[in-house]
Amino acid sequence: AQTVTQSQPEMSVQEAETVTLSCTYDTSESDYYLFWYKQPPSRQMILVIRQEAYKQQNATENRFSVNFQKAAKSFSLKISDSQLGDAAMYFCAYLTQGGSEKLVFGKGTKLTVNP
Amino acid sequence: DTGVSQDPRHKITKRGQNVTFRCDPISEHNRLYWYRQTLGQGPEFLTYFQNEAQLEKSRLLSDRFSAERPKGSFSTLEIQRTEQGDSAMYLCASSSDGTRYEQYFGPGTRLTVT
Repeated sequence: AQTVTQSQPEMSVQEAETVTLSCTYDTSESDYYLFWYKQPPSRQMILVIRQEAYKQQNATENRFSVNFQKAAKSFSLKISDSQLGDAAMYFCAYLTQGGSEKLVFGKGTKLTVNP
Repeated sequence: DTGVSQDPRHKITKRGQNVTFRCDPISEHNRLYWYRQTLGQGPEFLTYFQNEAQLEKSRLLSDRFSAERPKGSFSTLEIQRTEQGDSAMYLCASSSDGTRYEQYFGPGTRLTVT
């Protein structure tokens, strides 16, 4: 079974600075998707960024980018120019390419942005 | 596109009572998912529907839990004989066949069992 590990329960960053959130995963599959989801306090979860495992190029979405290391099974999220609105729980998630439809989530990292 | 909606947003019930939650997916989405999220944890998968067919169930979905999607549109999740351990946020998500990898989540139903 696939597992996702987020080793940083909490992180903090100064507004306008850059922060990196870590995620590792375990799988025997070669084709899969990886995601970062953001869950603001008392608000619904939203998709931040997606990476297909077959793509070598790291995904980017505006101020958000990932460092995908397939051999190391590592998938970190970098947030540049952090804003107060980035404060949230961030979840790393895995989805197999075939078979199961379930997202497998890590336990999350709480990001605090200090003004 | 009004997003995924869930009702109620909060539910307080006494142990032993039955509760039912509703999820309305994004209108053009034929795939629907239920997850459970306890405090300090990431969401855990419960079940998945493609149209009206329930195609995948987690072992977390005990016999006290039942989910339906009778017409392939909205879905209900019922918990019978609630226990304190059922207290959690119940999340619904939806996606389409063409973009199964993009699950859109609703705001969740927070269940408190006293």
